[in-house]
Amino acid sequence: EVQLVESGGGLVQPGRSLRLSCAASGFTFDDYAMHWVRQAPGKGLEWVSGINWNSDGTDYADSVRGRFTISRDNAKSSLDLQMNGLRAEDTAFYYCAKGACRSTSCSVEYWGQGTLVTVSS
Amino acid sequence: QSALTQPASVSGSPGQSITISCTGTSNGVGTYNLVSWYQQHPGKAPKLIIYEDTKRPSGVSNRFSGSKSGNTASLTISGLQAEDEADYYCCSYAGSSTWVFGGGTNLTVL
Repeated sequence: EVQLVESGGGLVQPGRSLRLSCAASGFTFDDYAMHWVRQAPGKGLEWVSGINWNSDGTDYADSVRGRFTISRDNAKSSLDLQMNGLRAEDTAFYYCAKGACRSTSCSVEYWGQGTLVTVSS
Repeated sequence: QSALTQPASVSGSPGQSITISCTGTSNGVGTYNLVSWYQQHPGKAPKLIIYEDTKRPSGVSNRFSGSKSGNTASLTISGLQAEDEADYYCCSYAGSSTWVFGGGTNLTVL
């Protein structure tokens, strides 16, 4: 059974940094692309970033490019999201999500339960 | 990366069919056969119900079906059941390894 468990969320002041992690299990981690998707409380879904199976391809939504960095450690079956220069509009539940193939051009097929990031002074 | 356009809400009675539309631009929905649909119940993570425009993952009820015409994708739910009441999101590949979601549609089963 695919399991994705996010951690690292919390309350952070504007301009500060936070690092999210996702522990994956139940599938061969290095056979699949991974993504981060966020959802502001009571709002819709927003794709944030994706990384392909061997980390040689990454991309970001315009809203986070230059501030967020996605990375993965296939040996540890883990996915990270380093978030710098946080803004109030980054407040959201952040979901770790598994892609359907090695490339980030395949659909997201499984989601974790999410971790809440609140950016506020 | 403009969001896809979905109706904010739809409703239907048990047993009826409903359709949710998802309209994008020509460099997304209309270009790639990579529209997916997700169901999200309150307080839960989204669940994939349609991928690659029309395909259904194993275990998803055949009451859910996807279609596409030009820049508009559609999700049809037939034989509505109370448990179908949820938010539904479309998502399309937008090129250059990026994805875009629709604003979401709240389905009410009357």
